[in-house]
Amino acid sequence: GEDVEQSLFLSVREGDSSVINCTYTDSSSTYLYWYKQEPGAGLQLLTYIFSNMDMKQDQRLTVLLNKKDKHLSLRIADTQTGDSAIYFCAELENSGYALNFGKGTSLLVTP
Amino acid sequence: DGGITQSPKYLFRKEGQNVTLSCEQNLNHDAMYWYRQDPGQGLRLIYYSQIVNDFQKGDIAEGYSVSREKKESFPLTVTSAQKNPTAFYLCASSGAGGGTDTQYFGPGTRLTVL
Repeated sequence: GEDVEQSLFLSVREGDSSVINCTYTDSSSTYLYWYKQEPGAGLQLLTYIFSNMDMKQDQRLTVLLNKKDKHLSLRIADTQTGDSAIYFCAELENSGYALNFGKGTSLLVTP
Repeated sequence: DGGITQSPKYLFRKEGQNVTLSCEQNLNHDAMYWYRQDPGQGLRLIYYSQIVNDFQKGDIAEGYSVSREKKESFPLTVTSAQKNPTAFYLCASSGAGGGTDTQYFGPGTRLTVL
């Protein structure tokens, strides 16, 4: 599929908020996802948002969706060292099955 | 415990040999997927299967083969035709459709071809 774009690195201090940005490709994408990957492990689903929503909040996580600009963001409040990982943005392809992933943003949380 | 298992975690093979990666799920999911991950890259879809005895090619199917004889199992064979097989391979499963039937991932198999 076409490229889903993410910045490659983000460094924040413990206790600050982190914002990870993503630009997706298909304006007709119905679902958009955020996954977390810790070193050497599989992907863990963090949250998803349906395209008719602008925002979704789940505890420390806030997802914002701007359909006009095809822009998705993930905000992590009160970031902890355990949040250090790679975060992937993904869009559901037209097949309704396959996901189109970005290259991932590596988040480093420093004490 | 419900989940997806992949074995082995690390796999080493000589160039020119075929190798089969195992993926098993006990989530009663209809759909299963294989992705490849290279360093600094996102996940790329190799094959997926919506139902038993049926599967579709993804973006990078060349050099790979799959079978889906049982709902629980979706093995991936990396053949000698795959030019650059060293990578981290991830299996996933989901319910009957996408959307809220989100994909859940196994722990992955790291394949190194010597």
